[in-house]
Amino acid sequence: DIQMTQSPSSLSASVGDRVTITCRASQGISNYLAWYQQKPGKVPKLLIYAASTLQSGVPSRFSGSGSGTDFTLTISSLQPEDVATYYCQKYNSAPLTFGQGTKVEIK
Amino acid sequence: QLQLQESGPGLVKPSETLSLTCTVSGGSISSSSYYWGWIRQPPGKGLEWIGSIYYSGSTYYNPSLKSRVTISVDTSKNQFSLKLSSVTAADTAVYYCASPPSYCGGDCYFDYWGQGTLVTVSS
Repeated sequence: DIQMTQSPSSLSASVGDRVTITCRASQGISNYLAWYQQKPGKVPKLLIYAASTLQSGVPSRFSGSGSGTDFTLTISSLQPEDVATYYCQKYNSAPLTFGQGTKVEIK
Repeated sequence: QLQLQESGPGLVKPSETLSLTCTVSGGSISSSSYYWGWIRQPPGKGLEWIGSIYYSGSTYYNPSLKSRVTISVDTSKNQFSLKLSSVTAADTAVYYCASPPSYCGGDCYFDYWGQGTLVTVSS
């Protein structure tokens, strides 16, 4: 089975900073990758699908890139409301594996 | 707007079977062309996909749970269900049901999520 590895596991950044989270697949998955945001105590929310397509209503400071095995989620200017844990997920085929998550905090 | 709602016991004894149902409103399982899913999240930990089901009853499961999981669908009630047998404390988690967006076909990401239900395994 394909493993999904995110890095870092956590990060702390200042408001306005550019933040980058990486997700690596153990085998190629083309662009079948989604990113989710989960705020504390809340349901996961879809941010990006097809590696780089922004879900409707998601602020444009979020962006995704990558294909094959290496993917990134970027927050161009970190805002206080972006404090959350972010997960990647592959969906090219079962199992629909999630990454272990990256916790983003404000410094 | 599609809505999903999980229901079932919040407390299950070790070695017993966990049973949850997801009721769908605002859309029809029988007219969908994608797989509906179950995902869980142990307290303080990450998301784990459990398995998915098509309206026809076709299923696929996480290999790590496959021997204990059964997912079924009742299109007449617009519901799909999860059974997890021989539970232990490690199965304590928030269980979510979820759906892809309507334009998806087959395997897809999840756009609609239920609120989640905490199931505790304890005697």
